[in-house]
Amino acid sequence: QSALTQPPSVSGSPGQSVTISCTGSSSDIGYYDRVSWYQQPPGTTPKLLIYEVRNRPSGVPDRFSGSKSGNTASLTISGLQTEDEADYYCTSVTTSSVLLFGGGTKLTVL
Amino acid sequence: QVQLQESGPGLVKPSETLSLTCSVTGGSISSSHYFWGWIRQPPGKGLEWIGSLHHSGTTYYNPSLKSRVTISLDRSRNQVSLKLTSVTARDTAVYSCVRQPGQGGWFLDYWGQGSLVTVSS
Repeated sequence: QSALTQPPSVSGSPGQSVTISCTGSSSDIGYYDRVSWYQQPPGTTPKLLIYEVRNRPSGVPDRFSGSKSGNTASLTISGLQTEDEADYYCTSVTTSSVLLFGGGTKLTVL
Repeated sequence: QVQLQESGPGLVKPSETLSLTCSVTGGSISSSHYFWGWIRQPPGKGLEWIGSLHHSGTTYYNPSLKSRVTISLDRSRNQVSLKLTSVTARDTAVYSCVRQPGQGGWFLDYWGQGSLVTVSS
């Protein structure tokens, strides 16, 4: 299976909103609501942001939201803050029970 | 609070076997509610799923690594182990232990700090 497709980079100014896309296929994102998103600031361990498309773990601000349409999932960050600068990764399980990662998106807060 | 801590050699020679251990505190690896697994990240690159294991024996592996990987549980020590055989320089990465909720929960809610393993002679 191929990795999920994410844009290499996105940017935004403080207070703005940005959306990161994650494109898969009908055998993964399009088949299950099992998309999750992770935030990895430089030099740190990834942290779960969103699971099962749109659910936030306790402690994750509601500025982070997830959605899905067809074979594409999206992570939207509203009210950008400087501390949001990080790499973001999506994942989805496939119909073969394989967990796929996206290639990662670097968010720059200008 | 669940904590995961990886340990093992930081340097492995090509063609040898990489072995890492993850010590779990604050939770039992024998819980029916979770899978335990490994993720790796080559320096400066993205994340790659290695595999997941449930105490019942249900195991899932990345097909690209399946022939070389074994994940196992040591219930007496509450540890998760990873073995990767016939390593090459391409296996140089930070290896992280993760917890994955069961019953179809294909997400990773707890991560270890990661252990850098370099493959070099």
